[in-house]
Amino acid sequence: EADIYQTPRYLVIGTGKKITLECSQTMGHDKMYWYQQDPGMELHLIHYSYGVNSTEKGDLSSESTVSRIRTEHFPLTLESARPSHTSQYLCASRDDRLYGYTFGSGTRLTVV
Amino acid sequence: QKEVEQNSGPLSVPEGAIASLNCTYSDRGSQSFFWYRQYSGKSPELIMFIYSNGDKEDGRFTAQLNKASQYVSLLIRDSQPSDSATYLCAVNGIGNKLVFGAGTILRVKS
Repeated sequence: EADIYQTPRYLVIGTGKKITLECSQTMGHDKMYWYQQDPGMELHLIHYSYGVNSTEKGDLSSESTVSRIRTEHFPLTLESARPSHTSQYLCASRDDRLYGYTFGSGTRLTVV
Repeated sequence: QKEVEQNSGPLSVPEGAIASLNCTYSDRGSQSFFWYRQYSGKSPELIMFIYSNGDKEDGRFTAQLNKASQYVSLLIRDSQPSDSATYLCAVNGIGNKLVFGAGTILRVKS
């Protein structure tokens, strides 16, 4: 049973559109993360948050932005989608450094 | 040098055999280590974690940690075709972030 939810699962959108990928978790975790992963490729950290009003850029440069107004919600926004943004976006959360991440099901984004 | 290194594979084993997956890491201060399984097109799923030197067993899975040599391994006994997936090694890094390896593709042939 998933405790971290991502919507939509699949999204096809035209170039230049603004999109928001949703991520919510019901576990009360402070730490949340966004990863980007192309098929068969590595996970790349693009954003993370350690709590409400805390957001940081990750290791991979991204044109996306995030917000953390509530503990349970960590949406990712692309102001103007481009074909280069086509990828899978994975949201994750964790409670404590002793535990691993719990991942959401992911959003597969295609920009045409 | 990458922070977490894995052989990309594919590692092919026959059904019923032991699959051995290896991972090395560069940060000697790392304290916690994780193995994730990722099926094609799906998100990673945590299957094992280990903090102390030695072995940790959970069903058909055994994680092994050697901090002095900076390696962690995953053994899968009695491998099944359903074990065919990419296995990601992850290490707890600076700032409470997990650092992932690129993954090893495992193929179990029936």
